[in-house]
Amino acid sequence: EAQVTQNPRYLITVTGKKLTVTCSQNMNHEYMSWYRQDPGLGLRQIYYSMNVEVTDKGDVPEGYKVSRKEKRNFPLILESPSPNQTSLYFCASSRGTGGNSPLHFGNGTRLTVT
Amino acid sequence: DAKTTQPTSMDCAEGRAANLPCNHSTISGNEYVYWYRQIHSQGPQYIIHGLKNNETNEMASLIITEDRKSSTLILPHATLRDTAVYYCIVRVASASGTYKYIFGTGTRLKVLA
Repeated sequence: EAQVTQNPRYLITVTGKKLTVTCSQNMNHEYMSWYRQDPGLGLRQIYYSMNVEVTDKGDVPEGYKVSRKEKRNFPLILESPSPNQTSLYFCASSRGTGGNSPLHFGNGTRLTVT
Repeated sequence: DAKTTQPTSMDCAEGRAANLPCNHSTISGNEYVYWYRQIHSQGPQYIIHGLKNNETNEMASLIITEDRKSSTLILPHATLRDTAVYYCIVRVASASGTYKYIFGTGTRLKVLA
């Protein structure tokens, strides 16, 4: 089944403890992206990647890192999480060429930083 | 970057057509409009997309104005399961060849029995 898989689904951590949220897609998609969703603010893009080793900042990149060493994986890294990074996170991917390439979203990771 | 503007919320009677508007007045000629919906806190689900022409699929129809500054998503016969937040998104391409999807804040559609 074609899908975007995020892990974990829920994560509670403490301020300053490094964490990684994994994202993997099995559709051979070139484009991958991370979003965070907060009440009243909709979905905001954190980082995106056009292809392997090509990443770029979205609208809210501060406090986050990403890497794209392989086409299928796009982990989101929080080196020193803070409470304002408590949010619902979504990973998404698309074929990446032309206009006929809708985003496919994962099921989300709910992160709580205390 | 093109931005989208949507009404915060709308109600629709079950069985009637739901018409959800989106304003994207700064859209450029090669930028696509996508529509997604999100039920509760699940991952957004793709509905439909278009560039210039009106589009229809098994879920919905998309009407894009001739000047492309706005569009309307039509759910022809809304059901209770269509209650969700609907997002209008513009895919923006940059001169460097990268592109990004810009989300609006969405319309919370409530289908009433």
